[in-house]
Amino acid sequence: QSVLTQPPSVSGAPGQRVTISCTGSSSNIGADYDVHWYQQRPGTAPKLLIFGTTYRPSGVPDRFSGSKSGTTASLAITGLQADDEVDYYCQSFDSSLSGWVFGAGTKLTVL
Amino acid sequence: QVHLEQSGAEVKKTGASVKVSCQVSGHALSELSMHWVRQTPKEGLVSMGGFDPQDGVTIYAQRFQGRVTMTEDTSTDTAYMELSNLTSEDTAIYFCATLTGGYYFDHWGQGTLVTVSS
Repeated sequence: QSVLTQPPSVSGAPGQRVTISCTGSSSNIGADYDVHWYQQRPGTAPKLLIFGTTYRPSGVPDRFSGSKSGTTASLAITGLQADDEVDYYCQSFDSSLSGWVFGAGTKLTVL
Repeated sequence: QVHLEQSGAEVKKTGASVKVSCQVSGHALSELSMHWVRQTPKEGLVSMGGFDPQDGVTIYAQRFQGRVTMTEDTSTDTAYMELSNLTSEDTAIYFCATLTGGYYFDHWGQGTLVTVSS
């Protein structure tokens, strides 16, 4: 069972907006540690999508955005494209475990 | 631009050890904080540990303590992760990844599949 909880799947139609939640606790997200998001295509390594809760690395489209409130972070994807249909993972730091923790991942389906 | 190139797939017997390498190019390994993350269908992504730049030591996730050793050869810019006493539960893809800002992984190797069978 992952320390950070994500929905196993989300879906949306092309052009629509979807959000993926990432719920933690008082020892990670709630302790004001940043949340980071990764996109993973089948057979490849995760790719950094959002860092520091809200920042996008160079080359990541502004269709992707991150936010946080309390113990829950969210990844929003606007203008859904077929190419977005892959897996997304959240990650933070946990002070109780003294280590870096991931969510179990969310599979995005573009209808 | 940092590039991480990992060694090839491994097949090991239960009880054996495996050593995976991660060759860095585009940056000196000594200036990076190298970590290891493994992925299985059952558990997803799990941090195994790595170099903590704040304390200057290598830290291991508690669940792997005593079984994992992470080393670096700065003369060849190569990082290594050795996992001992393997069981079928260790069958996974192992990634090396650089930790930046102390908190997120910005560069990843391509992954090394380690299969453990009896």
